[in-house]
Amino acid sequence: QSVLTQPPSVSGAPGQRVTISCTGSSSNIGAGYDVHWYQQLPGTAPKLLIYHNNNRPSGVPDRFSGSKSGTSASLAITGLQAEDEADYYCQSYDSSLSGSYVFGTGTKVTVL
Amino acid sequence: QLQLQESGPGLVKPSETLSLTCSVSGDSISSSSYYWGWIRQPPGKGLEWIANIYYSGTTYNNPSLKSRVTMSVDTSKNQFSLKLSSVTAADTAVYYCARSGYASSVDYWGQGTLVTVSS
Repeated sequence: QSVLTQPPSVSGAPGQRVTISCTGSSSNIGAGYDVHWYQQLPGTAPKLLIYHNNNRPSGVPDRFSGSKSGTSASLAITGLQAEDEADYYCQSYDSSLSGSYVFGTGTKVTVL
Repeated sequence: QLQLQESGPGLVKPSETLSLTCSVSGDSISSSSYYWGWIRQPPGKGLEWIANIYYSGTTYNNPSLKSRVTMSVDTSKNQFSLKLSSVTAADTAVYYCARSGYASSVDYWGQGTLVTVSS
């Protein structure tokens, strides 16, 4: 029931840059609602990675960055490290769904 | 440091009601800046938002779960709760309680609790 679409997987060698897209619609990202990103390591709860499109909580390395344009958003990881291997989810708000928070389909990042 | 902790049965029979409670420490649930809610994740699948509640009792539910969801808040105990009725195997998931801003990010998560629906 996810209304935000992400690629199932992306991969890269250590040190490389990878990007994850998050595609929404005119009732969520395109309506101007902010996009947030979460990192989920195996067996753990998701952790807020990027909030309000491009802001990092304290403690999140500046290797992680976010951007938003139109009905889409992206998460970039530069200088990929082995510890970045995890699932990543985008999240926004959808005005057409009675005040719903909506998540992306999730992307598995593999460090080769 | 804010902490959220889920509690409740790990096994629920089909057609019965799933009940979970989230205990909050490190902040007052009566804070006017935040919403308290539930998010679930079926095994091997993605995240699904269930519902949010404001300390005043105003709730916002995921339309896909229709009228099966009830949330409540107990400010005296600094807890909030979830009830999901008429459960089926499709409701088997790790259930997370969480804090978020209005139409904003989820900045704190509980560790999650696995609820299995099975007879």
